[in-house]
Amino acid sequence: QKEVEQDPGPLSVPEGAIVSLNCTYSNSAFQYFMWYRQYSRKGPELLMYTYSSGNKEDGRFTAQVDKSSKYISLFIRDSQPSDSATYLCATYNQGGKLIFGQGTELSVKP
Amino acid sequence: EAGVVQSPRYKIIEKKQPVAFWCNPISGHNTLYWYRQNLGQGPELLIRYENEEAVDDSQLPKDRFSAERLKGVDSTLKIQPAELGDSAVYLCASSLGNRLGQVFFGPGTRLTVL
Repeated sequence: QKEVEQDPGPLSVPEGAIVSLNCTYSNSAFQYFMWYRQYSRKGPELLMYTYSSGNKEDGRFTAQVDKSSKYISLFIRDSQPSDSATYLCATYNQGGKLIFGQGTELSVKP
Repeated sequence: EAGVVQSPRYKIIEKKQPVAFWCNPISGHNTLYWYRQNLGQGPELLIRYENEEAVDDSQLPKDRFSAERLKGVDSTLKIQPAELGDSAVYLCASSLGNRLGQVFFGPGTRLTVL
């Protein structure tokens, strides 16, 4: 079992839709969770960073961690064509290594 | 503030040839990472440096891959000889110490081995 699993998509939505991106992780000891956004032919850029359980909001983006089910989510409200990218969830494993999910490719159509 | 700089951006080589990638991290960042990203996959760590010391190289295929970070700043990653399966994007990243979550990536070098 992979330490972090993510549905690769692709996911296509119309402009203005609410997008939900999800990951599961294997070890309940993981505490720090990140979402990275990667545009085509670019490196990943940190989008949001959360610790433990709960929600964190930043503009149109909300990151949510449910430790009871080992599930992390990223919600994008009022999605824009500029949000079209691959979204990667990430966490630190017990060895302190930053590990990534497979990435979900999102396309927002005008 | 300049980001992580990598060169070259693209490289095409024949199998069995050597290849090298260069990385300049964000100024002041003492932790440097090399990741490999295969098509449709997330990045996977190859090696992590704290200053000049390689503190995690467990995923680096040491029979053909080598890395160095002289003077604790720039780093090079080398493959010799390259194999077809080495075709991927090689990403360099840096962070300030062990600040969790604050890892910044460069644009990557896209390697194609023919």
